[in-house]
Amino acid sequence: EAGVAQSPRYKIIEKRQSVAFWCNPISGHATLYWYQQILGQGPKLLIQFQNNGVVDDSQLPKDRFSAERLKGVDSTLKIQPAKLEDSAVYLCASSIDTYRNTEAFFGQGTRLTVV
Amino acid sequence: AQTVTQSQPEMSVQEAETVTLSCTYDTSESNYYLFWYKQPPSRQMILVIRQEAYKQQNATENRFSVNFQKAAKSFSLKISDSQLGDTAMYFCAYNNAGNMLTFGGGTRLMVKP
Repeated sequence: EAGVAQSPRYKIIEKRQSVAFWCNPISGHATLYWYQQILGQGPKLLIQFQNNGVVDDSQLPKDRFSAERLKGVDSTLKIQPAKLEDSAVYLCASSIDTYRNTEAFFGQGTRLTVV
Repeated sequence: AQTVTQSQPEMSVQEAETVTLSCTYDTSESNYYLFWYKQPPSRQMILVIRQEAYKQQNATENRFSVNFQKAAKSFSLKISDSQLGDTAMYFCAYNNAGNMLTFGGGTRLMVKP
C-alpha cells in the first residue's frame, strides 16, 4: 500500500513570495490533515478535512494561508505572502475517518525555509 | 481545548536498558484515544502505540508499553531493551471522535552504545 505522498521535499523562498505544497493521501482515506512543525516543537494542526469539507481550521492563519481539497482526494496548502516565521516542516497526514479515531499516517513532510 | 504536555525535552539511555517517557493531557471527555509517535531524523512520523481510554488494560507492542492512568490523565511510554534505532523524537498525541489530533511538544531520546 502506498503511503502519504508529499512534494516538494524542500523549498527555499524569499519573504513575501508565495509557495504551494501538495499532498496525496492514502487511497480511501477520508480525513486529511496539514500540520506545521517548527524546529524543536510538536506539530501544530493547521487544517483538517473530511472528504472535501473542512472539519477544523481554527489555527490556520487565514490572511496568508489557504488550503483546498477539491475532489476529496489530494490537497494543496498555499502560503501567500510568506514570512520568516513560516520556516518550518509542513506535514500532511491521512486517516480512514475523522469519527473513528483511527491511526493517522504521515508523509515525509516539506521543509520550508523563508529567507 | 485539549492540551498535551511532555515535561522531558531530552532523555538519554544506555543501549539494552529501559527508559520511560512522560505525558500528561487535559480533557473533559470520557472517551478518547492516546498515541505515541516516533519521529526519526528522516522526519516521517511513525505510530508506536495507541491506547483507547475505555480500555483499562495498558497497551503493549513488543518492547513498547504504556502506563495509562486515566484519573491522573497520565500516559507514559516505557521502552524496554533500548536499541540504537530507538533514537528519535517521541510525541504523545490525543484525539477523540470528530476532533483534531493534538500533539505534545516532544521528547528527544538518545540511545547510547
